[in-house]
Amino acid sequence: ETGVTQTPRHLVMGMTNKKSLKCEQHLGHNAMYWYKQSAKKPLELMFVYSLEERVENNSVPSRFSPECPNSSHLFLHLHTLQPEDSALYLCASSQDHGTASYGYTFGSGTRLTVV
Amino acid sequence: QQQVKQSPQSLIVQKGGIPIINCAYENTAFDYFPWYQQFPGKGPALLIAIRPDVSEKKEGRFTISFNKSAKQFSLHIMDSQPGDSATYFCAASKRMAGTASKLTFGTGTRLQVTL
Repeated sequence: ETGVTQTPRHLVMGMTNKKSLKCEQHLGHNAMYWYKQSAKKPLELMFVYSLEERVENNSVPSRFSPECPNSSHLFLHLHTLQPEDSALYLCASSQDHGTASYGYTFGSGTRLTVV
Repeated sequence: QQQVKQSPQSLIVQKGGIPIINCAYENTAFDYFPWYQQFPGKGPALLIAIRPDVSEKKEGRFTISFNKSAKQFSLHIMDSQPGDSATYFCAASKRMAGTASKLTFGTGTRLQVTL
């Protein structure tokens, strides 16, 4: 396995369910991210982890709860979601090389439908 | 507010044409400007990127032109092919706490290359 792997690829859940999205990166990167991609909206940054510590929570509702147990794994725990939370959830990772920014490597995403 | 503005929203060109996608940004703290290509059902993939001390970068058929004073940058695709049909996102990145960088995305351009 190489790159960034996300599971499941598709998820349908009811508004009262609890589920988790999983992301694993095999690149040796030291930062990981969750983004939300909805139709007709820019990709929205949700959470940022640097060296397993959360460094940004971008005003995300508490029904989304991230977890980063180590530098290779990232989870997004979901509970009591709303239909408007239906979207493609993308995980990404990046590697710090000093004082400059670098781009991300994205996974293929989890297509979430809330019914 | 939309920190990275992208246009056009959609673009149709004939095979062999040169589609041009434009982006503008506000924040002078951005230090890295990548372009991502996304096919249906996949996550965005890094296509080409530039730093603000360079005015042009070419990789294969893809060229970024960068105008620091105008805070604008654009993607040109030479000799476009039907396989280039995808959604293209510009982005701008700045450093965050720790090892992370924050990517802010444009709204995307859906490109269709016809035969």
